[in-house]
Amino acid sequence: QKEVEQDPGPLSVPEGAIVSLNCTYSNSAFQYFMWYRQYSRKGPELLMYTYSSGNKEDGRFTAQVDKSSKYISLFIRDSQPSDSATYLCAMSAPTSGSRLTFGEGTQLTVNP
Amino acid sequence: SQTIHQWPATLVQPVGSPLSLECTVEGTSNPNLYWYRQAAGRGLQLLFYSVGIGQISSEVPQNLSASRPQDRQFILSSKKLLLSDSGFYLCAWSVGLAGGGWGQFFGPGTRLTVL
Repeated sequence: QKEVEQDPGPLSVPEGAIVSLNCTYSNSAFQYFMWYRQYSRKGPELLMYTYSSGNKEDGRFTAQVDKSSKYISLFIRDSQPSDSATYLCAMSAPTSGSRLTFGEGTQLTVNP
Repeated sequence: SQTIHQWPATLVQPVGSPLSLECTVEGTSNPNLYWYRQAAGRGLQLLFYSVGIGQISSEVPQNLSASRPQDRQFILSSKKLLLSDSGFYLCAWSVGLAGGGWGQFFGPGTRLTVL
């Protein structure tokens, strides 16, 4: 069993929809949680970072962490065609140093 | 500000040929550096990471090798490429974040096709 499981997608939504991207994890030592966005043929870019349970909001993006359920989500409000990309969750434990464990990614397409 | 460079951007190589991909980082010193491979439509596979000059850890047994001859230079090599080496190769460096976590920041990648 993988340490991090990510909803595989692909996901196709109309412009303006609310998008929910999800990951579950099995390692209770994970304390730091990230979401990366990767456009086609580009390197991933860090989108959101959080280290506590609850919600963190940044513009149209909200990262949610539920450590008791070992579940994280990224919500995108008022989705735009420019949000079309692959989203990867990533997480790490205090003992893993700077190494991250990534999900497999979810490909999102927002249709105008 | 920190910048990470990778070259070449695209490479087409025949099976059995050698490989050398280079990654350099600017604006930071003694970074932790990573090489990942990403197959089409797949996640990131960690290949190597380095915490300093000459210090390389290998994650996956394969015909690839890595070297770190200078503090901000990380090189991925192969003596003989296989078809299965095709993919998108990404270099990354890490930076400390608030609360004790670490983030990784990626270069633009090299798309390798082995024919």
